[in-house]
Amino acid sequence: GQQLNQSPQSMFIQEGEDVSMNCTSSSIFNTWLWYKQEPGEGPVLLIALYKAGELTSNGRLTAQFGITRKDSFLNISASIPSDVGIYFCAGLPSYNQGGKLIFGQGTELSVKP
Amino acid sequence: GAVVSQHPSRVICKSGTSVKIECRSLDFQATTMFWYRQFPKQSLMLMATSNEGSKATYEQGVEKDKFLINHASLTLSTLTVTSAHPEDSSFYICSARPGLAGGRETQYFGPGTRLLVL
Repeated sequence: GQQLNQSPQSMFIQEGEDVSMNCTSSSIFNTWLWYKQEPGEGPVLLIALYKAGELTSNGRLTAQFGITRKDSFLNISASIPSDVGIYFCAGLPSYNQGGKLIFGQGTELSVKP
Repeated sequence: GAVVSQHPSRVICKSGTSVKIECRSLDFQATTMFWYRQFPKQSLMLMATSNEGSKATYEQGVEKDKFLINHASLTLSTLTVTSAHPEDSSFYICSARPGLAGGRETQYFGPGTRLLVL
């Protein structure tokens, strides 16, 4: 099925650095969701976006709904070791099929203390 | 935030037995729940959509007789892996979709169930 193009696939950064990841789609989306998944756990919702251009923060995390409605990015500022995990973008396309989310491939983040 | 639980968190079973996994939305009602399967280092793969009071809809390639889904109430969906085989070993995750609030869709995930079939 359709999958969002999420990049980068992995990142190895030093504690304190800022992180940026993004997702793009070939079609228009109505909703963008960003999740974090730690090993052996289910994804946890970080930020939800519903309007083109919307910029939303959750602590050190900031995400934006792209103006074209075909992309979204997530920034993490001043990373800390507990930010380690896999970050997934997910979205609901405008042709929403009963709420089925389309997922990105994930960005695996490693933070060196 | 909304809480979704799964039980059991881990299960080991013998080949040929059936395993039931429960997914509950603890503080909201969910007319729709979703079941996913996840392989290591990969994204989530949707298996089926579970609708309260009606039959589940399965994604292409997912055997409905193999993965039985029941959504008997607005807070509970169950996935039964029938006649499990080692290739069914995986991480199974459910998500629950609350009713729309002002048109704002979201989904909350359970903590996952690790199934190992020997």
